[in-house]
Amino acid sequence: EPEVTQTPSHQVTQMGQEVILRCVPISNHLYFYWYRQILGQKVEFLVSFYNNEISEKSEIFDDQFSVERPDGSNFTLKIRSTKLEDSAMYFCASSVKGGGTDTQYFGPGTRLTVL
Amino acid sequence: GQNIDQPTEMTATEGAIVQINCTYQTSGFNGLFWYQQHAGEAPTFLSYNVLDGLEEKGRFSSFLSRSKGYSYLLLKELQMKDSASYLCAVKGYGQNFVFGPGTRLSVLP
Repeated sequence: EPEVTQTPSHQVTQMGQEVILRCVPISNHLYFYWYRQILGQKVEFLVSFYNNEISEKSEIFDDQFSVERPDGSNFTLKIRSTKLEDSAMYFCASSVKGGGTDTQYFGPGTRLTVL
Repeated sequence: GQNIDQPTEMTATEGAIVQINCTYQTSGFNGLFWYQQHAGEAPTFLSYNVLDGLEEKGRFSSFLSRSKGYSYLLLKELQMKDSASYLCAVKGYGQNFVFGPGTRLSVLP
């Protein structure tokens, strides 16, 4: 069964450094998402992406964050200058369509630790 | 505003039935989804409801009442592997989910 994949599984970085988290969505899906989950807290929406542009973003997704689909398969989340509070599990998700009851399928996540 | 409430923790016995409730207040409604999340892993899709009533899927059923802003997930014939967090998520007008805090279910032998 097709699945969303993410790399790396764990990323450790120093505060102020840039990180890029990578995702390969399910191949026939058109909508892509990033969520994060701080340890012990709920899953929070960051951004959705369709047709090579951001379609929605949350208040969390400030100027430090950016997303890109650099080729036909990868979808990346970049954090320009990491802060301690960016430490979290970052989940990529994808769906066939974006509207209505379309189900989002999640990748295994990247655990980001900012020191 | 958007608010989703679930009990924080529940405990049940192997072989029993458990009901996990979710209440929501969101701007717009395009469906309510239930996900299972084992510790340190990704949420995995269980079920969704967009119309009122019960949806059954094997050992799992989910119920929705839109007028009451209420849903529940029913798990039957509990197994040890069902020990996990269960996340209620609502899709509003947009494409993203608003997740509840999750209910941590412990299944005891």
